[in-house]
Amino acid sequence: QSALTQPASVSGSPGQSIAISCTGTGSDVGSYNLVSWYQQHPGKAPKVIIYEGSKRPSGVSDRFSGSKSGNTASLIVSGLQADDEADYYCCSYVGGNTWVFGGGTKLTVL
Amino acid sequence: QVQLVEFGGGVVQPGMSLRLSCEGSGFMFRRQGMHWVRQAPGKGLEWVAMIWFDGSDRQNADSVKGRFTISRDNSKNTVYLQMNSLRAEDTAVYYCASFLGDNSAGYFDRWGQGTLVTVSS
Repeated sequence: QSALTQPASVSGSPGQSIAISCTGTGSDVGSYNLVSWYQQHPGKAPKVIIYEGSKRPSGVSDRFSGSKSGNTASLIVSGLQADDEADYYCCSYVGGNTWVFGGGTKLTVL
Repeated sequence: QVQLVEFGGGVVQPGMSLRLSCEGSGFMFRRQGMHWVRQAPGKGLEWVAMIWFDGSDRQNADSVKGRFTISRDNSKNTVYLQMNSLRAEDTAVYYCASFLGDNSAGYFDRWGQGTLVTVSS
């Protein structure tokens, strides 16, 4: 159950788009299209923004989108806004009713 | 009001035990799997344990296997995490989260506010 690999930080200016990668292995991300993404503001609990790779829960902005290629999942945030500044975590099902998170990525809006 | 509220955090010495509770309200608690996720100070999220909606299956992360046990009482809308043989590296904010979906497909849809567990002598 090794943590998925995410970049420690990404940044972008308001209105721009950024992508956050989440790299696993053929045993987790590569085997299941069951990656979810969570946004966490400082001192707050996480909030889901993408599930099953590319689906958005009701109420989540369509500026957030997800995709997967091989062992890597990606979160794309378009039209960056100040409130998007937060930590982002990917999470994948890894079989046997167990899950694993990524190390997290700090998004800075310049 | 839909919410999850954790109880039971605190400061304990290494090797000691602690039990966390998480009470759900405002939703069909007994129909959802429940998980515990922790976050060490300044660190990322770590999945800890899960239990199916009816308690028929439960799993732990390797880092806590043999020491932590998840359980639930649907009559009380409560999930528990019994933590034994605590170590300094177990120091973290512990969140309970409900899982919306079918077994593996889905996501953590509700989170508690978290409860801090500090393991220190």
